[in-house]
Amino acid sequence: DAKTTQPTSMDCAEGRAANLPCNHSTISGNEYVYWYRQIHSQGPQYIIHGLKNNETNEMASLIITEDRKSSTLILPHATLRDTAVYYCIVRVVGQGAQKLVFGQGTRLTINP
Amino acid sequence: DVKVTQSSRYLVKRTGEKVFLECVQDMDHENMFWYRQDPGLGLRLIYFSYDVKMKEKGDIPEGYSVSREKKERFSLILESASTNQTSMYLCASRLRGYNSPLHFGNGTRLTVT
Repeated sequence: DAKTTQPTSMDCAEGRAANLPCNHSTISGNEYVYWYRQIHSQGPQYIIHGLKNNETNEMASLIITEDRKSSTLILPHATLRDTAVYYCIVRVVGQGAQKLVFGQGTRLTINP
Repeated sequence: DVKVTQSSRYLVKRTGEKVFLECVQDMDHENMFWYRQDPGLGLRLIYFSYDVKMKEKGDIPEGYSVSREKKERFSLILESASTNQTSMYLCASRLRGYNSPLHFGNGTRLTVT
């Protein structure tokens, strides 16, 4: 299984860009990187995913290094509502269907 | 927007009871999943189903079973609830496809006393 390593916690000032790193040094060539977040008392929310090119959507940008061993999720203008636990996940191929294995995530706190 | 609905936000059951947790999704997704989430342990996969009437064990299936009779509905069953099954249960669904993301419900917090 490809595993991910994230910092346990991070802080960011409101209005600034939040950059969340993730290491996935054992990732295979065809495995995607997914990012989810979980706000307290809610289910995880999908943010973005990518294979090897950088991706951007209305929520965030995903930067994947050329060797694909690490990635960074960027929230360009963080707000207080972005305070959450952020999970970086590499898809694991199981028997007959794919499954996503969640690690411990990064607790991001946005400060006013 | 994809909507994954779990029938209860909070449940309290007694040890030995049979418990049904229901999940419905409205986007015609083929794959559905049940996770449990516990402090310090993250999300752990219990069972998943990649189509109607199909099911696969996840990482911690002991003490659980599932039912997928209709495409939109995936039920988790605790045959005889025990206190160590007190947890947050999360249902998710996704389209069949190599890289389709998961969409989660808001969870059911189950307490077994």
